Amino acid sequence: NAGVTQTPKFQVLKTGQSMTLQCAQDMNHNSMYWYRQDPGMGLRLIYYSASEGTTDKGEVPNGYNVSRLNKREFSLRLESAAPSQTSVYFCASSQGSMGNQPQHFGDGTRLSIL
Amino acid sequence: AQSVAQPEDQVNVAEGNPLTVKCTYSVSGNPYLFWYVQYPNRGLQFLLKYITGDNLVKGSYGFEAEFNKSQTSFHLKKPSALVSDSALYFCAVRDGGGYQKVTFGTGTKLQVIP
Repeated sequence: NAGVTQTPKFQVLKTGQSMTLQCAQDMNHNSMYWYRQDPGMGLRLIYYSASEGTTDKGEVPNGYNVSRLNKREFSLRLESAAPSQTSVYFCASSQGSMGNQPQHFGDGTRLSIL
Repeated sequence: AQSVAQPEDQVNVAEGNPLTVKCTYSVSGNPYLFWYVQYPNRGLQFLLKYITGDNLVKGSYGFEAEFNKSQTSFHLKKPSALVSDSALYFCAVRDGGGYQKVTFGTGTKLQVIP
């Protein structure tokens, strides 16, 4: 059971570079999420997609864009990376679209911006 | 707005002793409450949830949580701690009044001492 798969697992970027974080789930879930995890701040929601074809901003969307490519895939793009975006990024998915089901998480992408 | 607080950054407990990890929440409607565990370099894993019904919820790995509406708390408990329970624990809440997004606490590091 693959669950939620994130690529890459590690990445180092220079300030101003762009990159896309990939996420795919094989559980036929409707909802998908992108979070960032920083020490002492827990998980903060960047963007979410309640269903295929829809995306909405979360708590900290500035500097990021997302694409819900299909039901399985939800990508996160950094257009011009900044050191403040150094973090661990987690993708998650859940059944339904009302947030009352448990979320299933990938193992994260560790991103450093120099 | 919904919020969740984990007042302890770290909890230390001796192996074999009971453990409690505290969580309090604030919502405008009825809460949906979750506990997750995170092991090093891994994503969050779902432990248990409270939606409605019995105030004592049983979950994975022998964990349980007690919902207390009057104290707006949802503390995680286990009767006998194992060294392998050492990890980072997150409480999360969703306002049943209509928000789709889930808010996570800042996490509590549980250290079980042999």
